[in-house]
Amino acid sequence: DQQVKQNSPSLSVQEGRISILNCDYTNSMFDYFLWYKKYPAEGPTFLISISSIKDKNEDGRFTVFLNKSAKHLSLHIVPSQPGDSAVYFCAARYYGGSQGNLIFGKGTKLSVKP
Amino acid sequence: KAGVTQTPRYLIKTRGQQVTLSCSPISGHRSVSWYQQTPGQGLQFLFEYFSETQRNKGNFPGRFSGRQFSNSRSEMNVSTLELGDSALYLCASSLAFAHEQFFGPGTRLTVL
Repeated sequence: DQQVKQNSPSLSVQEGRISILNCDYTNSMFDYFLWYKKYPAEGPTFLISISSIKDKNEDGRFTVFLNKSAKHLSLHIVPSQPGDSAVYFCAARYYGGSQGNLIFGKGTKLSVKP
Repeated sequence: KAGVTQTPRYLIKTRGQQVTLSCSPISGHRSVSWYQQTPGQGLQFLFEYFSETQRNKGNFPGRFSGRQFSNSRSEMNVSTLELGDSALYLCASSLAFAHEQFFGPGTRLTVL
C-alpha cells in the first residue's frame, strides 16, 4: 500500500512557465516532507523540505506547499528552466521516526522545453 | 567537502551468488541509510545505521543485511541473489539530527 503517491509519472512544461508537481500521502503521522531531484546515473539531490507545522516553505525558485487537511503537498518551480528537467521525488518521514527512514513516492519526470 | 561515495558503481552477478556493496558517508555524518530503486517500486528503504547500530529496517527478506563500522562507513550484503534483486542501490548519509539526507551515486547491480 503506497503511503506517498505521485500520481503524475510525467510533466512537460515550457521554459519560463511554472512547474507544479503534486504529491499525496495517506499517513497523518508523517511530520516532515522533502523533495528530491534526480538526474540519470546520479543519486537523488535534496531540494527543499517542509515541516508539518508549516504550510509553505520557499527557497529561490522553489516553493513547497503543504495542505494537511487534504494530505497533499506540491512543489512549485518558477520560472522553470531546461536544467530543471529531471525526476522529482516526494518523500515523507514518520513523526518521532529516525531521519534515516524516508518513504518515497515513485517520482514525476519533469521535462522543461526551451 | 567530499560527498557520499559508493563502490563499486556497477556490478554483474549471477543468481545464487552473494554481493557486498560499500558506502562512505560525508565526513561527520553518523547516520547511513540504504535504499533500493527499481522502475516498478521506486525508492524503497532497506535499513538505517547510526553509530554502528541498526536503527531501522525496511520490509526486505533476511538475505539483505548490513553493517556500519566505527568510522561510519557502511556495507550492505545480499546473499543468494535473485533476478529481482537487480536494481540501483543507493546509500544516503545525514547529520545526527538533521532532516535531509545526502545520497551517493548508487551501485547498479545486475543479476543474470
